[in-house]
Amino acid sequence: GESVGLHLPTLSVQEGDNSIINCAYSNSASDYFIWYKQESGKGPQFIIDIRSNMDKRQGQRVTVLLNKTVKHLSLQIAATQPGDSAVYFCAENMRTGFQKLVFGTGTRLLVSP
Amino acid sequence: DVKVTQSSRYLVKRTGEKVFLECVQDMDHENMFWYRQDPGLGLRLIYFSYDVKMKEKGDIPEGYSVSREKKERFSLILESASTNQTSMYLCASSPSRRSGANVLTFGAGSRLTVL
Repeated sequence: GESVGLHLPTLSVQEGDNSIINCAYSNSASDYFIWYKQESGKGPQFIIDIRSNMDKRQGQRVTVLLNKTVKHLSLQIAATQPGDSAVYFCAENMRTGFQKLVFGTGTRLLVSP
Repeated sequence: DVKVTQSSRYLVKRTGEKVFLECVQDMDHENMFWYRQDPGLGLRLIYFSYDVKMKEKGDIPEGYSVSREKKERFSLILESASTNQTSMYLCASSPSRRSGANVLTFGAGSRLTVL
């Protein structure tokens, strides 16, 4: 299996619960944020994004909240399912020359049936 | 429905060997990226390219080089592999540097072990 998760903070939930994964970002000038999901053996996959002029954005079963005052981002997953088990990364788009994403270290979500 | 393909999923090389990691995308994206992923460190940008034959250093370019001879292909080269380059390498692409939004599409990764 992949070693990416060995040193990650882990959130364990029961199937059907709501999950909240948190992320602190570093640059107050970042203008765009993305959440990625990485399942074992796969590359990160886009989940949802939000621009800095918004506080909240909803997708299918997922909601991203942005608090620019404290530079905090959260991902809420409603009715968590076993298929949601993965490592979740937040990324901030830093506007320094060429736009590039800076990734957080990730949180492992474990969903028990 | 594979969009970013990394040719090798697992490689084992010896110290001092030259290593090529190949990445191909079929979405006509302008931008391509190489990251490495290590436990506790997240994804770190090695190199990126926003056009054919163009390359820019990321945050950790030392020990690596890249090549982008065609729009769809971005290669990462380890001239002389070292054990500290044992890692998971992720290739990604995004549409355009002018598009604003910078959503990356990732490949499945190449796990390199250097002995």
